[in-house]
Amino acid sequence: DAGVIQSPRHEVTEMGQEVTLRCKPISGHNSLFWYRQTMMRGLELLIYFNNNVPIDDSGMPEDRFSAKMPNASFSTLKIQPSEPRDSAVYFCASHQGGETQYFGPGTRLLVL
Amino acid sequence: GNSVTQMEGPVTLSEEAFLTINCTYTATGYPSLFWYVQYPGEGLQLLLKATKADDKGSNKGFEATYRKETTSFHLEKGSVQVSDSAVYFCALSETSYDKVIFGPGTSLSVIP
Repeated sequence: DAGVIQSPRHEVTEMGQEVTLRCKPISGHNSLFWYRQTMMRGLELLIYFNNNVPIDDSGMPEDRFSAKMPNASFSTLKIQPSEPRDSAVYFCASHQGGETQYFGPGTRLLVL
Repeated sequence: GNSVTQMEGPVTLSEEAFLTINCTYTATGYPSLFWYVQYPGEGLQLLLKATKADDKGSNKGFEATYRKETTSFHLEKGSVQVSDSAVYFCALSETSYDKVIFGPGTSLSVIP
C-alpha cells in the first residue's frame, strides 16, 4: 500500500492567500485526522472524520480553517485567508479500527 | 478529560546508554496505550502499543508495560543507537474509533 498521501509536500504563500492541503487516506480506512505541528504548540488535532462525517472539529483554530471529506478517499484542509501564524507542518492520518493511526509525510506550510 | 503527560526533553544520551522516557496518563475508562516515533522530516509512526493492563509492547528493542495501578506506560531501551534519535510521543485511545490523545513529545538525541 502507498500509505497516506499528502500534497503538496511544501507550500510557500503570502499572507491573505488561500491555501488548500490535500490528503488521500489508506484504502479501506474509515477514520481520517488532520493535525498541525509547531515548535511552540506541539502536535494539535484540528478535526477528525469517521465514515466521511466530521466528528470533532473543536481543534479548528478559527473560521479561516475549514475541512471537507467528500468521499472515502479524499480530504481537504483549507485556510482562507492565510496568516503568518498558520505556518506549521500539517499532517493527515487515517485508521481502520485497531486504533493505530497511520500518518502521512506532512505538508510544510510557510505563510510570508 | 483524558490526557497524557511525558517527561520533558530534550534528552541527550551517549550511544549504548540505557533509555527511559516516562509517560503517565489520565483516562476515565480502560484505554489502549501507544508510543509513536517521529524521525526528522517525517510523520509519526507507531513504535509499540498495549491494549490492556500488564501487557508489554515491544519493537526494535524498545519496551513499555501498561501499568494500571500507576497509570503509566514508560518507554525503555537497554542500549540506544544514533539512529534512535527522534521525537517520541506517548498516546492513548479509549475506543477504536475515537481520537488518539498525544503527549507533548520527548526529543531524544543520541551521540556517538
